[in-house]
Amino acid sequence: EVQLVESGGGLVQAGGSLRLSCAASGFTFSSYGMHWVRQAPGKGLEYVSAISSNGHSTYYAKSAKGRFTISRDNSKNTLNLQMSSLRAEDMAVYYCARQYCSSTSCTFDHWGQGTLVTVSS
Amino acid sequence: QSALTQPPSASGSPGQSVTISCTGSSSDVGGYNYVSWYQQHPGKAPKLMIYEVSKRPSGVPDRFSGSKSGNTASLTVSGLQAEDEADYYCSSYGGSNNYVAFGGGTKLTVL
Repeated sequence: EVQLVESGGGLVQAGGSLRLSCAASGFTFSSYGMHWVRQAPGKGLEYVSAISSNGHSTYYAKSAKGRFTISRDNSKNTLNLQMSSLRAEDMAVYYCARQYCSSTSCTFDHWGQGTLVTVSS
Repeated sequence: QSALTQPPSASGSPGQSVTISCTGSSSDVGGYNYVSWYQQHPGKAPKLMIYEVSKRPSGVPDRFSGSKSGNTASLTVSGLQAEDEADYYCSSYGGSNNYVAFGGGTKLTVL
């Protein structure tokens, strides 16, 4: 069974840093691209960042570029998101998601339960 | 403001059908077959319901179907059931400049 378990969320002051992790199990982690998606309280889903299966390629939404760093450790089946210079608007539940690609399309086929990041001013 | 436009709400009675639209542009929905739909119940993680415009993952009831015409994708839920009440989000690949775009979400109410 595919499982994604996020951790590392919590309360942080504006301008501070936080490191989120996502522990993967039940599949060959090193074969899949991974993503972070967030959801502010009462709001919709917002795409944050992506990393390729081997970690060599990354992508950041404009809101994350320059402040967040995505990484992965395939030996430990772990996905990370290092967040710095946190702002009030970064407050959200952060989900990790696995990317599944067919021959013609990609999607997010499994999601973690999310970890809440609260930013205080 | 979300890159993809969804109606904020939709509703139907048990047994009826309801369709939720997702409008983008030729740079996302209209340009790729990467449209997916996710269901989210309150306090829960999103769940994949439709991918590649119209394909259903294993375990998703065939009451859920997807389609696309031009820059607008649609999710249809037939034979509405109480457990279908949830938020639904569409997403699409948006090219190298806007990698993944989400819709703002539609709250589906089963009357």
